[in-house]
Amino acid sequence: SYELTQPPAVSVSPGQAASITCSGDRLGDKYVCWYQQKSGQAPVLVIYQNNKRPSGIPERFSGSNSGNTATLTISGTQATDEADYYCQAWDSRTVVFGGGTKVTVL
Amino acid sequence: EVQLLESGGGLGQPGGSLRLSCAASGFTFSSYSMSWVRQAPGKGLEWVSTISRSGARTYYADSVKGRFTISRDNSKDTLHLQMSSLRTEDTAVYYCAKEWQQLESWGQGTLVTVSS
Repeated sequence: SYELTQPPAVSVSPGQAASITCSGDRLGDKYVCWYQQKSGQAPVLVIYQNNKRPSGIPERFSGSNSGNTATLTISGTQATDEADYYCQAWDSRTVVFGGGTKVTVL
Repeated sequence: EVQLLESGGGLGQPGGSLRLSCAASGFTFSSYSMSWVRQAPGKGLEWVSTISRSGARTYYADSVKGRFTISRDNSKDTLHLQMSSLRTEDTAVYYCAKEWQQLESWGQGTLVTVSS
């Protein structure tokens, strides 16, 4: 079965950029989404089709996908961005999630 | 505004059954595939199942195949998940979500606890 790998944790200072990677075999051939999940809340879609932002998602969230790695970048990270982030791809009619990355804003 | 409201969670016995429902509003329900995703306590997200717009096609994770059944009632804008042969490892918050390849909107989830 297809697997997506994320780093367990990323730390960032307020105002700096945070990058979260998601790796998988030939991931660049697939569409990748990213979800933000704050403590005790349901996930929220922040990036779809590699680099598109849903309505209402701040411009500081951006995405890219090439080769075996997709990346979510949060520019000018704010305290409110502290959350778990999950990448997701679609493979052989199944939805696959990465293990999640906890972003801490120090 | 899209709203998804799950119900039916609670305590289930190992080997027993539970039926989850998800009431949808704020969009044309019959125009979208719908999915269930679960999250075990302190763990990550796990896709469970997806159903096509008409209900003609269904897809399942290997972990639930043969035990869970997804269905929908487009006349009532409602999604269901029939869970049978429950296992302790099915304990999780179950979310319904709009769409499939990208899960556009999520409900707040319903907690299922499987324990004797």
